[in-house]
Amino acid sequence: NAGVMQNPRHLVRRRGQEARLRCSPMKGHSHVYWYRQLPEEGLKFMVYLQKENIIDESGMPKERFSAEFPKEGPSILRIQQVVRGDSAAYFCASSRGDRPYGYTFGSGTRLTVV
Amino acid sequence: AQSVTQPDIHITVSEGASLELRCNYSYGATPYLFWYVQSPGQGLQLLLKYFSGDTLVQGIKGFEAEFKRSQSSFNLRKPSVHWSDAAEYFCAVENQAGTALIFGKGTTLSVSS
Repeated sequence: NAGVMQNPRHLVRRRGQEARLRCSPMKGHSHVYWYRQLPEEGLKFMVYLQKENIIDESGMPKERFSAEFPKEGPSILRIQQVVRGDSAAYFCASSRGDRPYGYTFGSGTRLTVV
Repeated sequence: AQSVTQPDIHITVSEGASLELRCNYSYGATPYLFWYVQSPGQGLQLLLKYFSGDTLVQGIKGFEAEFKRSQSSFNLRKPSVHWSDAAEYFCAVENQAGTALIFGKGTTLSVSS
């Protein structure tokens, strides 16, 4: 019974490149959430998705960031033209979507922009 | 706006001593509250959660937390700390829309021998 799977675990990108982070939710979970953890800070919500729908993107930066959760396959968080300030740990969580929610987190992707 | 405050950035406790990590929240209605633990380089593991009912919640690894509405607090406790408990601890409250968790900035726990 695999948990939330994120890959890659570590990702190094040069400034200006694109970063793609993948998240496969737990079996039976159809709701995905992305969070970002900057050094010395807690986790900040970015976006909440269900299959083929973005439900809440209030935490997403307005430019360069996008997320999707297609009908088939993992959820993707995409960062275009990365900058040094994008270096962070990105965590994905999933839930079944019924309250009270049980959120299960993945191990994260640590993005380093050089 | 909803928020979570963890007043202590870093706490050091002797092995075998008791532990209390503080968490205060700002929320209008009955909150859904969580405590997570994160070991270095790892993801977040749920320790316990409160939704309703008994205000004293039992979690994994011998942790418990008490919800006190009058104090807007949800403090995490453990009677006897083990060296393996050294980690970062995050308190979180679910937002009113039920679409996200709002996290505190975390408390780093060090355990001395």
